[in-house]
Amino acid sequence: TQLLEQSPQFLSIQEGENLTVYCNSSSVFSSLQWYRQEPGEGPVLLVTVVTGGEVKKLKRLTFQFGDARKDSSLHITAAQPGDTGLYLCAGAHAGKSTFGDGTTLTVKP
Amino acid sequence: DSGVTQTPKHLITATGQRVTLRCSPRSGDLSVYWYQQSLDQGLQFLIQYYNGEERAKGNILERFSAQQFPDLHSELNLSSLELGDSALYFCASSASGRSIQETQYFGPGTRLLVL
Repeated sequence: TQLLEQSPQFLSIQEGENLTVYCNSSSVFSSLQWYRQEPGEGPVLLVTVVTGGEVKKLKRLTFQFGDARKDSSLHITAAQPGDTGLYLCAGAHAGKSTFGDGTTLTVKP
Repeated sequence: DSGVTQTPKHLITATGQRVTLRCSPRSGDLSVYWYQQSLDQGLQFLIQYYNGEERAKGNILERFSAQQFPDLHSELNLSSLELGDSALYFCASSASGRSIQETQYFGPGTRLLVL
């Protein structure tokens, strides 16, 4: 079983602050995806990273895949209340996805 | 709105009972995935179907079964329900399901409560 550990589990910050959340594993993944889930809704895909060392930017969000393809980080610049939600990472291997337990982010106005 | 619909939105039942959850994929998507999300185990992949055929299996219990019909909608059957089966059940769809990197679009989920 491939496990993905996300940290921190909970994060509460003020609007305008920067933050980084992490997704770590001892296993190698062929790709890794980040999702954001709001209460009462299903996860929504934010990004897919495939190449070790890859960095992708989506407005104020920066995603990085580790060189060894075992870990990933999500950095949010100048967080806004609309960024509040559960951030999930999912690693792909052998045609299946394994999800981390997520980081619950609360951005206070 | 992802385009994936799930019914019912909420379901309350008793232990030992059997329920059926329904999912309609996005128009044109051939692949359907089922996931279980609970507080203690997070989001777990259960099973994937592509064009009516089972493609991949995850942590699906033997008490659970699924199928995808010719019109591409899917049903997840949960039987001999236990308290621990209480969870959110999500359906997702993707265009072909050939690559795990393909974007999956999640429905709003069915919240199951077993009393």
